[in-house]
Amino acid sequence: NAGVMQNPRHLVRRRGQEARLRCSPMKGHSHVYWYRQLPEEGLKFMVYLQKENIIDESGMPKERFSAEFPKEGPSILRIQQVVRGDSAAYFCASSSTQGVFDEQYFGPGTRLTVT
Amino acid sequence: AQTVTQSQPEMSVQEAETVTLSCTYDTSESDYYLFWYKQPPSRQMILVIRQEAYKQQNATENRFSVNFQKAAKSFSLKISDSQLGDAAMYFCAYRSALGANSKLTFGKGITLSVRP
Repeated sequence: NAGVMQNPRHLVRRRGQEARLRCSPMKGHSHVYWYRQLPEEGLKFMVYLQKENIIDESGMPKERFSAEFPKEGPSILRIQQVVRGDSAAYFCASSSTQGVFDEQYFGPGTRLTVT
Repeated sequence: AQTVTQSQPEMSVQEAETVTLSCTYDTSESDYYLFWYKQPPSRQMILVIRQEAYKQQNATENRFSVNFQKAAKSFSLKISDSQLGDAAMYFCAYRSALGANSKLTFGKGITLSVRP
């Protein structure tokens, strides 16, 4: 059973470009979480999605950032008009239920560098 | 809002010795979960151990154990018989037990080095 897949693993964008980060959850998982890790920091929650629904976006910046998890295909985190401060590692995690102890399994992360 | 504090940025331990990593948290909730994650240089987040707040017994996973003090809101990780492969960043994390709020709240992490 393949784990959580993220691609690309490394992404370089110039300021003003768009960045698209993809996350394929583990088989059978319908819950996806995105976290951002700035240098020398812990992971910070951004958004929680189920298929076709955003459940909690309390950690998402108000502008330029959006996320989706369509019925078919991977979850996408989209950053428009990237700035240097967006440089970070972005992690996706997935879980199977929203039950009592639904462990979140993490992907390997996408390291975004904005030049 | 819940917060997780890891006040020690770095720690070092001799191979085969025991080390304790500290974590405190703040919450007004009575039911929640606490976790320790390991992040090696590969950056892959690996779950080390978890604790349910309603359980008084401290969790143990092989060489890893926790000291959970609910009243003091303290959750430390003890690593026994340290191995070179234990060198990594360690993050303490909190998760509410309320079903609609499944996000993890992480501390800033501790960098653990293991001396041969």
